[in-house]
Amino acid sequence: DTEVTQTPKHLVMGMTNKKSLKCEQHMGHRAMYWYKQKAKKPPELMFVYSYEKLSINESVPSRFSPECPNSSLLNLHLHALQPEDSALYLCASSQGRVEKLFFGSGTQLSVL
Amino acid sequence: GIQVEQSPPDLILQEGANSTLRCNFSDSVNNLQWFHQNPWGQLINLFYIPSGTKQNGRLSATTVATERYSLLYISSSQTTDSGVYFCAVAPSGNTPLVFGKGTRLSVIA
Repeated sequence: DTEVTQTPKHLVMGMTNKKSLKCEQHMGHRAMYWYKQKAKKPPELMFVYSYEKLSINESVPSRFSPECPNSSLLNLHLHALQPEDSALYLCASSQGRVEKLFFGSGTQLSVL
Repeated sequence: GIQVEQSPPDLILQEGANSTLRCNFSDSVNNLQWFHQNPWGQLINLFYIPSGTKQNGRLSATTVATERYSLLYISSSQTTDSGVYFCAVAPSGNTPLVFGKGTRLSVIA
């Protein structure tokens, strides 16, 4: 199994809503990542978890809150988002920090 | 921080043609990966290649770490090769990957 599974695939939310994005991998990878990608731009790193501990937060606003409940799961909790937060949110995983990176298919988020 | 430049930014090919995509980087790296993002947004890892040469079917990649560049070769291109090709690198140490701006490839039948 070489898949990273993300749900939902599409999400529309209002600025007062609370929602969560979910990511799951069963490759035994110990590093998991959240990226944000705007149209026609490269992915931008948001957070890195290594061995279930947050190791990198790229100065992401607090309205994005990551959570790693166990080594296979990664969540991104969303609250009070702005329209400019509309983007493709990608989850990724790797065996170690200097290893091949595998991406999920992403959640296309629209904030109204 | 490390700079990553990809060229060309855009490329249009006739089906069956060959192409070479280039990635230049500004510092030594211990991690270099090539990705293909298809028109539906899925990012596929093509190669993990901090140095040397690898081949996978019609695709091959070469990284010359001492000269700070990597090349991705696509032979006998197909319409399914269309999308954006990203090079991503990390300098020595446990630092995150930095992505280039990508090369947008369109293969026309």
